[in-house]
Amino acid sequence: DAGVTQSPTHLIKTRGQHVTLRCSPISGHKSVSWYQQVLGQGPQFIFQYYEKEERGRGNFPDRFSARQFPNYSSELNVNALLLGDSALYLCASSSSGNQPQHFGDGTRLSIL
Amino acid sequence: AQSVAQPEDQVNVAEGNPLTVKCTYSVSGNPYLFWYVQYPNRGLQFLLKYITGDNLVKGSYGFEAEFNKSQTSFHLKKPSALVSDSALYFCAVRDGGNEKLTFGTGTRLTIIP
Repeated sequence: DAGVTQSPTHLIKTRGQHVTLRCSPISGHKSVSWYQQVLGQGPQFIFQYYEKEERGRGNFPDRFSARQFPNYSSELNVNALLLGDSALYLCASSSSGNQPQHFGDGTRLSIL
Repeated sequence: AQSVAQPEDQVNVAEGNPLTVKCTYSVSGNPYLFWYVQYPNRGLQFLLKYITGDNLVKGSYGFEAEFNKSQTSFHLKKPSALVSDSALYFCAVRDGGNEKLTFGTGTRLTIIP
């Protein structure tokens, strides 16, 4: 079975632009979470969605938004990009509360 | 609030020796604890979890971890290290009531041939 897939793998943007990152969860997984991993740090929680509803939000500004579609895939949107948004953005999916989250390989976003 | 501490940024172990990567946690409810490994330019790969039950948890690639409630620790161990175990290791915790994972800062494990 395919794992969590994310697109694109790499992205270069300039300050002030917006970006959309995409994630397809493992088949059968209804929960999708997004994390930001800045170089040299552990991942930081951004959002969690379950059955198209937002179930959790981390300490990120309103420039960050997300949604989940009926097929459980998800998009992360970031507006008005700042240099500090440069990071690896990870998507994770899980099947139920007691099961671990499984991560994709991420989208590496570079802001110039 | 939930938090994780990984006190060692770097751990070096000779190949064939036992290894330990340390993790302590803080959570208000029942802790769900996880270990993940990250190889260069890759996402996080799940190794093992503790939800409830036996304090010694066995996971992938010969790794195991011991849950110690009194010391709020969840150290990762392996009896005999391989060079291929060299990677970045993350401990994570979540409160049982939600799916938000809080990660430590990571420990870089280097196995010396």
